[in-house]
Amino acid sequence: DTGVSQDPRHKITKRGQNVTFRCDPISEHNRLYWYRQTLGQGPEFLTYFQNEAQLEKSRLLSDRFSAERPKGSFSTLEIQRTEQGDSAMYLCASSPDTDRQPQHFGDGTRLSIL
Amino acid sequence: DQQVKQNSPSLSVQEGRISILNCDYTNSMFDYFLWYKKYPAEGPTFLISISSIKDKNEDGRFTVFLNKSAKHLSLHIVPSQPGDSAVYFCAASARDTGRRALTFGSGTRLQVQP
Repeated sequence: DTGVSQDPRHKITKRGQNVTFRCDPISEHNRLYWYRQTLGQGPEFLTYFQNEAQLEKSRLLSDRFSAERPKGSFSTLEIQRTEQGDSAMYLCASSPDTDRQPQHFGDGTRLSIL
Repeated sequence: DQQVKQNSPSLSVQEGRISILNCDYTNSMFDYFLWYKKYPAEGPTFLISISSIKDKNEDGRFTVFLNKSAKHLSLHIVPSQPGDSAVYFCAASARDTGRRALTFGSGTRLQVQP
């Protein structure tokens, strides 16, 4: 049973650079979610995909954040012109397309901005 | 405005005793509740869930109780084991919010003493 996979596990970059993270969900899961977690807090919802359609993106933190899921399989989250405040753990989760099913999370990408 | 609150940042119990973790919510649209467990450097792992049509759900050593009138849920772990030491997150979702995007509490760190 292959779980949710995220790459890279850790990204260190200088302020102002662009970064991209990848998420491979569980293969039969149609729903894919991105969350951000900062120290001492629970994960915070960012955006949601149903197959390739991005159905909720109002919670993305700024217009520097964008996400894609071009073929309804893997997804990418991009942050442009990174800032110190973007340092966090970025988590991806997936779930089946049925109501009230738990989301399963990857191990996240930890972003550190120098 | 925190819609899901875990007011105890930490809890310490003896091995073999009961652990009780508490969670309160304010959004009456929430109808599905979950508990996740998180080890350092890993993503959250799903433990147990409960729908708002129930008041109790049990899975092995884990039982979740839901009190809708008080907007309160709790997770009971009996008996507690040292391997249960982790951060526990309560989460909730509503049907029409980001197709079941999760709103998390800030977590409770459980330490089970041998």
